[in-house]
Amino acid sequence: DIQMTQSPASLSASLGETVSIECLASEDIYSNLAWYQQKPGKSPQLLIYYASSLQDGVPSRFSGSESGTQYSLEINSLQPEDEGDYFCQQSYKFPLTFGSGTKLEIK
Amino acid sequence: QVQLQQSGAELAKPGSSVKISCKASGYTFTSYDISWIKQTTGQGLEYIGYINTGSGGTYYNEKFKGKATLTVDKSSSTAFMQLSSLTPEDTAVYYCARFLAYWGQGTLVTVSS
Repeated sequence: DIQMTQSPASLSASLGETVSIECLASEDIYSNLAWYQQKPGKSPQLLIYYASSLQDGVPSRFSGSESGTQYSLEINSLQPEDEGDYFCQQSYKFPLTFGSGTKLEIK
Repeated sequence: QVQLQQSGAELAKPGSSVKISCKASGYTFTSYDISWIKQTTGQGLEYIGYINTGSGGTYYNEKFKGKATLTVDKSSSTAFMQLSSLTPEDTAVYYCARFLAYWGQGTLVTVSS
């Protein structure tokens, strides 16, 4: 199975700041990487697909990038509603696998 | 709009089975696979498998073979997942999803004597 190593496990940032979350794939996944946001008690919401494509309706302060097998989610100008958990997921090979998640706290 | 409506929370005893449903609406049901995902605090998100809603063909993550059985009722646009021989380790929230963007609201399964 493809392992997705996500970091950091948690981070705390202030309103207006920029944060970055990383996922390292154990092998090449050819940009087949999605990012999700999850709020408590809710299902994951797709933010980014194919590494850098913004899902319809998602604010442009969210962006995705890649460098080799390392994938990044950047959130600019943090807003209160950005607090939550973030996951990466590879869809290149079955079984699909997920990162362990990052808990983002807005100070 | 696309919606996936899951059945309600389940409380089950060890050794028993539960069957969760996922009713789809807002699109042609048989045009998309339905996947199932397990979420726990300890293990995070785990991919269980998917069912081809047109043919009924299935794929199971090796880890969930023998644990999960995926079926579909095309007449009601509903996918099902049966979990058998339940243990406390099966306690989790289970999601159905039409990847990547559409997820059900989740079904909490609690296994306890």
